[in-house]
Amino acid sequence: GAVVSQHPSWVICKSGTSVKIECRSLDFQATTMFWYRQFPKQSLMLMATSNEGSKATYEQGVEKDKFLINHASLTLSTLTVTSAHPEDSSFYICSAREQGLKAFFGQGTRLTVV
Amino acid sequence: LAKTTQPISMDSYEGQEVNITCSHNNIATNDYITWYQQFPSQGPRFIIQGYKTKVTNEVASLFIPADRKSSTLSLPRVSLSDTAVYYCLVGEEAAGNKLTFGGGTRVLVKP
Repeated sequence: GAVVSQHPSWVICKSGTSVKIECRSLDFQATTMFWYRQFPKQSLMLMATSNEGSKATYEQGVEKDKFLINHASLTLSTLTVTSAHPEDSSFYICSAREQGLKAFFGQGTRLTVV
Repeated sequence: LAKTTQPISMDSYEGQEVNITCSHNNIATNDYITWYQQFPSQGPRFIIQGYKTKVTNEVASLFIPADRKSSTLSLPRVSLSDTAVYYCLVGEEAAGNKLTFGGGTRVLVKP
C-alpha cells in the first residue's frame, strides 16, 4: 500500500529555535496533505491542510505565522514550528490521501522543546 | 462533516471478539465510514472502510445497518497486540477532503 514517511521521528530543541518536520508520500503524488497535532491521551487535532503550489489552509485557532507549512512538490510537505516554546511540545502527524482512496499517515514526530 | 460518537474505552481478554460501535446520525449520502487504529507514539493505521452492509478483510469486519447511522467494528479473537485506540471517521473519499478525528475508543486487551 501507499506509504507516507515523516522525518524526524523525534526532535529535541531549545526554546526559541525553529524546527522543520518533513512529510513525504513515497509512492504516490499528493496534491493535498494534512498536519495534525496530538497531545498525550488525546485525539488527533487537525492543524492545517497543505496544498501543493498554494497557501495552506489553517484550522481555527492555529497560528499560521508560528506553524509554517510549505508544500513545494507533489510528494513533500514541510511543517516548521517557529520560535518553539515548551507548550509546542507535542506529537505531530502528517497525512496524505491518494485520489479517491483512504488516507495514509506518517509515523509521527515527537517534538520536545526544552 | 458528520460527527461521530464512540465509547471512550473498552476492556477485553485475549481470544475474545471485540465490537466497537460508532454513532454517526448525520452521515451524508456520499460519506464513507473508515476505521483507524493507533498505537502509542505512532500514526494511525487504516483498518477497514465501508459504505453499507458488511465488509470483511483479514483483520476486521465492519457492519453497517441500512440507515447507516451507526457502524460496528468487529475484531475477532483479539490478542494483547490489539491494545490500541480505534477511531471511527466519516466523510467523503476525496483527496482534498480533510479527516476530522473524534475521541476514539481505547481498547485494552488483558491476558
